[in-house]
Amino acid sequence: DTAVSQTPKYLVTQMGNDKSIKCEQNLGHDTMYWYKQDSKKFLKIMFSYNNKELIINETVPNRFSPKSPDKAHLNLHINSLELGDSAVYFCASSLLGGGGTDTQYFGPGTRLTVL
Amino acid sequence: SQQGEEDPQALSIQEGENATMNCSYKTSINNLQWYRQNSGRGLVHLILIRSNEREKHSGRLRVTLDTSKKSSSLLITASRAADTASYFCATVSSGTYKYIFGTGTRLKVLA
Repeated sequence: DTAVSQTPKYLVTQMGNDKSIKCEQNLGHDTMYWYKQDSKKFLKIMFSYNNKELIINETVPNRFSPKSPDKAHLNLHINSLELGDSAVYFCASSLLGGGGTDTQYFGPGTRLTVL
Repeated sequence: SQQGEEDPQALSIQEGENATMNCSYKTSINNLQWYRQNSGRGLVHLILIRSNEREKHSGRLRVTLDTSKKSSSLLITASRAADTASYFCATVSSGTYKYIFGTGTRLKVLA
């Protein structure tokens, strides 16, 4: 059974396009996250939602907009894609999300390449 | 500045040997977690150690935490080729909800 799933797994697109990445978790968790992992493997948090409410919004260009239709889904929409957006984007979830006492469960990642 | 920094950045050992990697962080934390990432995959949680614990074991994994030095180490004993992966520490500063991951140690276990 897939715990945290992301689609698509690979995304190749031209600069200036708008694209979305979808994430779903079937663990019943309250909190979901988006991370960006760059080419040097540095993993940086972008957003976090707890029960559909935004609780972490890092210094991310406003071209990135997360949307959580329900607590099992957290999608990431990116407008006007730039070369520097090329990275692997990971979705994750955790049971509660408070204070870092939870284990995070990660999706398989979406490798975004902007040409 | 980055919270967690692992060293070494890369480590290559023979199967059966022990592998030790270290993590340093900068602020007070609630707990510290270690994750493994196989090539092309998402991160998988390995172990969590709370700020009031000094050592924790899980199978072939041993984690230590020294809050006075703001550092942690992960020891993998009797390594196997399947342990080849990148290993990350993650911390959450006290009073926040934000997980900060280090840059990772790339471990290669040679058969």
